[in-house]
Amino acid sequence: AQKITQTQPGMFVQEKEAVTLDCTYDTSDPSYGLFWYKQPSSGEMIFLIYQGSYDQQNATEGRYSLNFQKARKSANLVISASQLGDSAMYFCACRSTLGRLYFGRGTQLTVWP
Amino acid sequence: NAGVTQTPKFRILKIGQSMTLQCAQDMNHNYMYWYRQDPGMGLKLIYYSVGAGITDKGEVPNGYNVSRSTTEDFPLRLELAAPSQTSVYFCASTKGRYYEQYFGPGTRLTVT
Repeated sequence: AQKITQTQPGMFVQEKEAVTLDCTYDTSDPSYGLFWYKQPSSGEMIFLIYQGSYDQQNATEGRYSLNFQKARKSANLVISASQLGDSAMYFCACRSTLGRLYFGRGTQLTVWP
Repeated sequence: NAGVTQTPKFRILKIGQSMTLQCAQDMNHNYMYWYRQDPGMGLKLIYYSVGAGITDKGEVPNGYNVSRSTTEDFPLRLELAAPSQTSVYFCASTKGRYYEQYFGPGTRLTVT
């Protein structure tokens, strides 16, 4: 089974600044995928970004980018130009070959004005 | 397109009662999943299905059962509810294992 580690229980960033949320993973699957989801206080899970293990380039989606370092088994999420609406819980997840998702414990991001 | 829908939104059960959490999707996705999220934790996979008639256990299947008779529906059955099953339950679907999973709004279940 995969293990996902998010070592930052909480992070604070000022509006308009960039922030990096850390994620390391441990998997023996030769093919896997890495996801980031956002969970606002309302509780829904919102997909942000995906990186496949064989993708050569780091994934980007608007203000979100994924800093993928395969040898170090890390998949950090970078949010540029933070907004107040970015305050939420952020989960890193790893998809196994069978399609199962394994989640980390999350990082609570607070954006202050 | 309603996406993934779940009912009920909230439920309180007494110990030993049973119930079914409903999940439906209208995106014609083959893959469907049930997760639970305990306070302060990430999601853990309970059961999943790769198509109608096919289901398999996830990380925490004990105390639950599922069935998948149609592509659209994937109900989760709780038998003999226990306080340890107090959690938020999410259903998710995806068109394939290499794509993002779309989540329902969740069901908050309390067992007392």
